[in-house]
Amino acid sequence: GAVVSQHPSWVICKSGTSVKIECRSLDFQATTMFWYRQFPKQSLMLMATSNEGSKATYEQGVEKDKFLINHASLTLSTLTVTSAHPEDSSFYICSARDAGSYEQYFGPGTRLTVT
Amino acid sequence: AQKVTQAQTEISVVEKEDVTLDCVYETRDTTYYLFWYKQPPSGELVFLIRRNSFDEQNEISGRYSWNFQKSTSSFNFTITASQVVDSAVYFCALRGNDYKLSFGAGTTVTVRA
Repeated sequence: GAVVSQHPSWVICKSGTSVKIECRSLDFQATTMFWYRQFPKQSLMLMATSNEGSKATYEQGVEKDKFLINHASLTLSTLTVTSAHPEDSSFYICSARDAGSYEQYFGPGTRLTVT
Repeated sequence: AQKVTQAQTEISVVEKEDVTLDCVYETRDTTYYLFWYKQPPSGELVFLIRRNSFDEQNEISGRYSWNFQKSTSSFNFTITASQVVDSAVYFCALRGNDYKLSFGAGTTVTVRA
C-alpha cells in the first residue's frame, strides 16, 4: 500500500525558533499534499493545500507567513513553523494525493511542542 | 461549504456490546466521498472505509458495518461485539470536488473490559 512518512515524529523547540516538518510519499508521486493541524481533543483542521511547483493555498485564518509550505518535488512537501510560540503546539498531519489514482494517504503525524 | 456533524462526543460501552456512531453531512457537490477513520492514542489515522455518493450499498467488513442513507445525508458506523482494542477516536469525513477533506468533530469510543 501507499506510504507517507513524516519527519520528525515529534519535536520540542523553544519559543521564537523555527521548525521544519517533512512529508514524503515513499512509493508514489504526489502532485498535491495537504497539511492539517489537530489540537488536543479536537478534530483535524485543514491548514493548506500544497501543489508541486506552485504556491500553497491557505485556508482562511491560517497565516501564510507563519506556516511556510514548500512542495519542491513530487514526493516531498515541507511545513516550516516560523517563530514558533506555545500556542503553535499541536499535532501536524499531512496527506498526499496519488497523482495516478487520486487517492489520499495520511502520514503518521508530527507532534510539536513549543516551550 | 461542506459540513460533517458527529453529534456523539463520547460513547462508553462494555466489551461485546454493539456501538453505533452517527455521522450527518452537508454538501452541495453532486459527487462526493465519505470516509471513516480511526485514531488510536498513537495519533496515526487509520483508514476504515470510503464510500462514493453514488453507491448507497451498505457494507460489512468483519465486525464493522456502515449504513449510508443519502435521503437523510447520513453515514453511520456500527462496531459489533466491541473489543477493548476498538477504543479510539473515530472521525467521519467528507471529500468534495476540491479533494479537501472536511472532518467531523470525532467520537471517542471507550470499550471497558
